[in-house]
Amino acid sequence: EAAVTQSPRSKVAVTGGKVTLSCHQTNNHDYMYWYRQDTGHGLRLIHYSYVADSTEKGDIPDGYKASRPSQENFSLILELASLSQTAVYFCASKWGGGQNTLYFGAGTRLSVL
Amino acid sequence: AQSVTQPDARVTVSEGASLQLRCKYSSSGTPYLFWYVQYPRQGLQLLLKYYSGDPVVQGVNGFEAEFSKSNSSFHLRKASVHWSDSAVYFCVLSAPTGGNNKLTFGQGTVLSVIP
Repeated sequence: EAAVTQSPRSKVAVTGGKVTLSCHQTNNHDYMYWYRQDTGHGLRLIHYSYVADSTEKGDIPDGYKASRPSQENFSLILELASLSQTAVYFCASKWGGGQNTLYFGAGTRLSVL
Repeated sequence: AQSVTQPDARVTVSEGASLQLRCKYSSSGTPYLFWYVQYPRQGLQLLLKYYSGDPVVQGVNGFEAEFSKSNSSFHLRKASVHWSDSAVYFCVLSAPTGGNNKLTFGQGTVLSVIP
């Protein structure tokens, strides 16, 4: 079974502060993704990566940076956190760019005050 | 452009009753469709997927879904629900976009199963 681990599981941040969310996967998947979930909405893609040391913008990249230092690790960085970035963030991974199954982490609940 | 609509934000059913969760999609290309489930405080997990062939696909835990090209729908069904099926269900569309496969998530349907 694929394992995707996110840390922290929850975080409270102050407006204007820097936040780093981490994701680690142990199944040697090449693709990794960061999604944002807002109450009553589906998931929206922030950034993704298909190879180490390279990241791509998703549908809502503004205010976020991503880093893929290795195949296993993918971070999401909020340089200047804002109230509007309060949400649940999910990391996911899968093998290949086709229709293979996405494996999700348990999510990080971020509250920006 | 592609889109997914789940018209029912919340569904409540009694344990043992049958279930249908609705999903409508719009896609200019060949649609690949998925249902994912999110249990409380967990990440999303795949229930089932449709690529081609038999329009009725079977998933885990007794779930099935039926693809209809004419109706642009991919409804999820279960003959008899259990309290443990209470969760949020997402319909997801995948279609090729610019060399990659773009996933579009529906808004989710919150299912509550009451004793």
